[in-house]
Order: sequence, then C-alpha cells, then structure tokens
Amino acid sequence: AQSVTQLGSHVSVSEGALVLLRCNYSSSVPPYLFWYVQYPNQGLQLLLKYTSAATLVKGINGFEAEFKKSETSFHLTKPSAHMSDAAEYFCAVRKSGGSNYKLTFGKGTLLTVNP
Amino acid sequence: DSGVTQTPKHLITATGQRVTLRCSPRSGDLSVYWYQQSLDQGLQFLIQYYNGEERAKGNILERFSAQQFPDLHSELNLSSLELGDSALYFCASSVERGGSYNEQFFGPGTRLTVL
Repeated sequence: AQSVTQLGSHVSVSEGALVLLRCNYSSSVPPYLFWYVQYPNQGLQLLLKYTSAATLVKGINGFEAEFKKSETSFHLTKPSAHMSDAAEYFCAVRKSGGSNYKLTFGKGTLLTVNP
Repeated sequence: DSGVTQTPKHLITATGQRVTLRCSPRSGDLSVYWYQQSLDQGLQFLIQYYNGEERAKGNILERFSAQQFPDLHSELNLSSLELGDSALYFCASSVERGGSYNEQFFGPGTRLTVL
C-alpha cells in the first residue's frame, strides 16, 4: 500500500521568502510522485512530477522538488514566494507499474503568503 | 482550463435523495477517475474506468456507482444520500498509453451539499 504524509497542514511565509512544503511517502514499489496545487474554488493543477528520471524536478511557477529515496521524501520548494502562490498544495503518489494509476494524496498544506 | 468538464458545478439536495454527477474527459482520453474531497477524509480515490470498463475501485460506498459510456463520458451516481456525503467530487482523465507515465487532468469539480 502507498501513503503520503504532508508535514504541516498550514504554512505561512512572507512575500519573497523561501517556500518549503514537506512530503514523505511510503511505497513498496518505485513510485511516481506529484505535487498538485488547488486555488480556491478550482480543481487540481499539476505543478510537477517525478517519474524516475532526474531526481531534481522543475515545475511551473518557479517550483521545484527533489526526490530523495534514502529519506523517502519529495519536498516542494520555491526560492521566493509571491502573493499568487497562496493556495492549497497536495503531494500524491502512484505506482510506477501495473494498470491502476490511481493517485493517493496527502492531506494537503495550505500556504499563506503575507505581504 | 484542463479540458475536463463536470456538471453541475453545485448541487444541493436532501438526505435520502439520489443525484448524478457528469464528467466529460479531455478529447482522446480513455480513462476516467473519480475522487472525493471532504474536510475529514481529504482527497480519496473512488473508482476508475477505462474505455467503458471498470478498472479499479477505491473507497467507494455501495450506495455509489459509476459508469462510462461509449462516448467516454462518465457518470457518478450517489443514492440514499447522507449528510456525510457532502463533499467536492472531482473527475480526472488521462490518455493511458500503456507502460508510460500518464498525467491525470482534473476537472473543476462538483460541490455536493446534502441538507
């Protein structure tokens, strides 16, 4: 079985500060990992994905994440927060093989950006 | 805009009633996933259909059912509704080329309120 733990249900940063959202996963097989963003009253948008290629993954809007197998982590970072980054962020895991591509999500982290 | 459409956007109904949520996948996508997002359970996978056939089931209640039609649109039927069924229901679609990574594109969701 796979699972995802997001540390911190709410993270608050100042505009221009580093954003760090934490995600740890558990998987019995090599996983694919994802970060999604959800703006208020909207659906989920894919920020970035790890699919067993480069361990440092760059996504949209200046976000990046690093896959660390030894730490079973896939933390999301952005060097400088912008007001428009305020949203809820979800880490998700999926098996890399088989035919069931369901995503297992973490509980989410609400990012607040203060002016 | 992900290309996935869901109707209706909002649905308010009473306990004991039955509702149908509709999803149209992106053009060319064969696979449809349904997810439920609630405050207490977070984002959970319900069920997956691929080209008209059920492929995987998650935490879907027996009161819930789904189907995918020949034109690939999907419907999620929720019956004997309870207060706890109030949630945001997302549909996602992917192309499902075998063996490779398949991104899931999410629709805007249907917000169900059971009174």
